[in-house]
Amino acid sequence: GQQVMQIPQYQHVQEGEDFTTYCNSSTTLSNIQWYKQRPGGHPVFLIQLVKSGEVKKQKRLTFQFGEAKKNSSLHITATQTTDVGTYFCAGLGRTSGTYKYIFGTGTRLKVLA
Amino acid sequence: DVKVTQSSRYLVKRTGEKVFLECVQDMDHENMFWYRQDPGLGLRLIYFSYDVKMKEKGDIPEGYSVSREKKERFSLILESASTNQTSMYLCASTLGLIGDGYTFGSGTRLTVV
Repeated sequence: GQQVMQIPQYQHVQEGEDFTTYCNSSTTLSNIQWYKQRPGGHPVFLIQLVKSGEVKKQKRLTFQFGEAKKNSSLHITATQTTDVGTYFCAGLGRTSGTYKYIFGTGTRLKVLA
Repeated sequence: DVKVTQSSRYLVKRTGEKVFLECVQDMDHENMFWYRQDPGLGLRLIYFSYDVKMKEKGDIPEGYSVSREKKERFSLILESASTNQTSMYLCASTLGLIGDGYTFGSGTRLTVV
């Protein structure tokens, strides 16, 4: 079945360093969403990418959707302690005629002050 | 803001008990979902519903059932709780099945002893 893998599983960075998480799908995706889950919290929707090669920015966060629509990345420039949490991608694919979002396993980011 | 409310934040139940997890959303969303979240496994879809009285199996429906008698309420039922159902359960809702971000509830941490 469709799988969405995310790497790395964990990342520790010094405050001010950059951070990137990658999302890879076994099949072509219709779109991809990104979520952030703070420690002890629930996932919160960040953004959606739809077009091949699309790039979107939210302040220090840059999201990319691959040309083949099978991978995506989230890059944070100059991390801050408020960036701590787990970042999930969710890819929309079609399985047995039904569209479903498949969540990646997440990347847990720890920012050291 | 859409609110998705889960009835309990923490729950402890005994093996074999019937367990009800309730979820209510207040923004007239058509689609509602139940996920479980386990370390290293990300979010896995248990069941979803795209209309009142409609339900679809997700990726891990075994041992669970759902009920959606009213648009705003989606219940997850563990017919006979087992220890391997100890997990964080997250309810989510979205307006459109494709293309709208999910709004998650705060989660219910269920422990089966």
